[in-house]
Amino acid sequence: EAGVTQFPSHSVIEKGQTVTLRCDPISGHDNLYWYRRVMGKEIKFLLHFVKESKQDESGMPNNRFLAERTGGTYSTLKVQPAELEDSGVYFCASSHVRYVYEQYFGPGTRLTVT
Amino acid sequence: RKEVEQDPGPFNVPEGATVAFNCTYSNSASQSFFWYRQDCRKEPKLLMSVYSSGNEDGRFTAQLNRASQYISLLIRDSKLSDSATYLCVVLKKHSSASKIIFGSGTRLSIRP
Repeated sequence: EAGVTQFPSHSVIEKGQTVTLRCDPISGHDNLYWYRRVMGKEIKFLLHFVKESKQDESGMPNNRFLAERTGGTYSTLKVQPAELEDSGVYFCASSHVRYVYEQYFGPGTRLTVT
Repeated sequence: RKEVEQDPGPFNVPEGATVAFNCTYSNSASQSFFWYRQDCRKEPKLLMSVYSSGNEDGRFTAQLNRASQYISLLIRDSKLSDSATYLCVVLKKHSSASKIIFGSGTRLSIRP
């Protein structure tokens, strides 16, 4: 069974540019989560989708971040315009509806804003 | 004060040793607890959930102490492959949802 995949694996952009990260969850997993790890800090929750609906987006830093999950399959996280402090590793995770908090993580996207 | 605190380590122990980590959480409304492991530059992977009565999975034992608000992970007969960062994860009630909170992780290095 394929795991959670994320694209791209690395992205280097300049301040002010836009970047879109993509996450494909494990097939059949209704729950999809986005997290971020800034260098030297702990992993922080950003938001949680149940199918195409945002269940909890309390961790989104500000309105420069927009997450979507149209159709309830893959999700995108757009950062526009990017700032230096947005640099970090963005992880996506998914879980089955019956085991909500047993999450499977993707390999992450390492974002560097210069 | 962080909501989930872990000793960052690193713990450097010889192969075959027993090692234990603790994790403390500040919110008594915390509901569920997990240990994840993360290898260098890799994604976190679920190691085990932590149940109220404590639970064991092979060489790994997890304990929960709600009164003192900490969880622990014990690794017996450690292997070189156990070298990783161990993340304590706490789920707590937040309004109508639940928030997932990660600790910063404890680094473990097993030497031959």
